[in-house]
Amino acid sequence: KAGVTQTPRYLIKTRGQQVTLSCSPISGHRSVSWYQQTPGQGLQFLFEYFSETQRNKGNFPGRFSGRQFSNSRSEMNVSTLELGDSALYLCASSYRTSGGSSNEQFFGPGTRLTVL
Amino acid sequence: DAKTTQPTSMDCAEGRAANLPCNHSTISGNEYVYWYRQIHSQGPQYIIHGLKNNETNEMASLIITEDRKSSTLILPHATLRDTAVYYCIVRVAGFGNEKLTFGTGTRLTIIP
Repeated sequence: KAGVTQTPRYLIKTRGQQVTLSCSPISGHRSVSWYQQTPGQGLQFLFEYFSETQRNKGNFPGRFSGRQFSNSRSEMNVSTLELGDSALYLCASSYRTSGGSSNEQFFGPGTRLTVL
Repeated sequence: DAKTTQPTSMDCAEGRAANLPCNHSTISGNEYVYWYRQIHSQGPQYIIHGLKNNETNEMASLIITEDRKSSTLILPHATLRDTAVYYCIVRVAGFGNEKLTFGTGTRLTIIP
């Protein structure tokens, strides 16, 4: 089975621009979660999508948004980029049922975003 | 989710058992203990999880104290490839909760 894939792997943007990152989960996984990792704040949960609906959200401003498609692929968007948005953005997929949660989440390699 | 406390860093000789402690004194009865690790520049990798019984899989063993206020992850025969940051996480499983709350983790260095 192919693992979680994220595109692009590296991205350089300037302040004020917007960016869209993509995540393809493992086949059969309907849940996709997004995390931001920075040296100062560590790994922080952004949001989770399941069956095209956002099910949980972390403590991030509204500039961070996401969506999930019917094939479970997910995108996250960051608008009006700030220098502090420079980070490794990780997505994780998992198999879970509607009312349950998974035992294991599978992480992708991440997208490294640099904001200049 | 309950907060966890881990040592910042640890060293272990190659071939020896690596024992990584985690304190979670405020854990609730329905919270599980999960361990993930992150090798440099890669996404985190699931290792093991448990509720109150000790657990073992092909990667590691998890020992949870009877009062569940602390746990230890054991890598039985550490190799250089086990050098990574190890995260102990507690979370309520079920009810559609996929959120993982990562702390600062323990940076484990395996010494040749």
